[in-house]
Amino acid sequence: DTAVSQTPKYLVTQMGNDKSIKCEQNLGHDTMYWYKQDSKKFLKIMFSYNNKELIINETVPNRFSPKSPDKAHLNLHINSLELGDSAVYFCASSPRLAWDQETQYFGPGTRLLVL
Amino acid sequence: DAKTTQPPSMDCAEGRAANLPCNHSTISGNEYVYWYRQIHSQGPQYIIHGLKNNETNEMASLIITEDRKSSTLILPHATLRDTAVYYCIVRGDYKLSFGAGTTVTVRA
Repeated sequence: DTAVSQTPKYLVTQMGNDKSIKCEQNLGHDTMYWYKQDSKKFLKIMFSYNNKELIINETVPNRFSPKSPDKAHLNLHINSLELGDSAVYFCASSPRLAWDQETQYFGPGTRLLVL
Repeated sequence: DAKTTQPPSMDCAEGRAANLPCNHSTISGNEYVYWYRQIHSQGPQYIIHGLKNNETNEMASLIITEDRKSSTLILPHATLRDTAVYYCIVRGDYKLSFGAGTTVTVRA
């Protein structure tokens, strides 16, 4: 009964590979997000989807392609992985597009290591 | 582009109140103050947020100064499970952007 879940929890892969991370929320929220947390623990938003539509793309390279098959799922596909992509990726959701009053609920994170 | 300043670390005795300061001197009138925390190897967890008034919920209290340039998060009775990195965030739109936060260690 986890609210926001992500798979896999850990992902170790070689440079140049393509990989996907999956996210699911069972909160009935309309809006989902992908965040990246770097080695210094700074967390920055990458994408936001509202009702399956891409709303926010924070100048993320085209190698990153989010896909939302339905409101409850937001997957992240990464092509041609680079060393700098190593980070923890968090999925989050909120009832609506989270302007100043909406609280975002985070998943447990996917730890990606590119070798 | 950090809008907040927090001490890098602090210790707290179990059972005592933990007071976490945050400076946000450039906050604008429509921006909220949010607090999240991140326990080791977990996703960020919402704690509390406020605009002008002091707020309290089951987890914590938030005291915002009258000029809104600083705030304090209060964990009333810290437990070992409160050991985490605490992030103070000023937010006026959809983005949550976390800085370095304060690493709080609760000691028995």
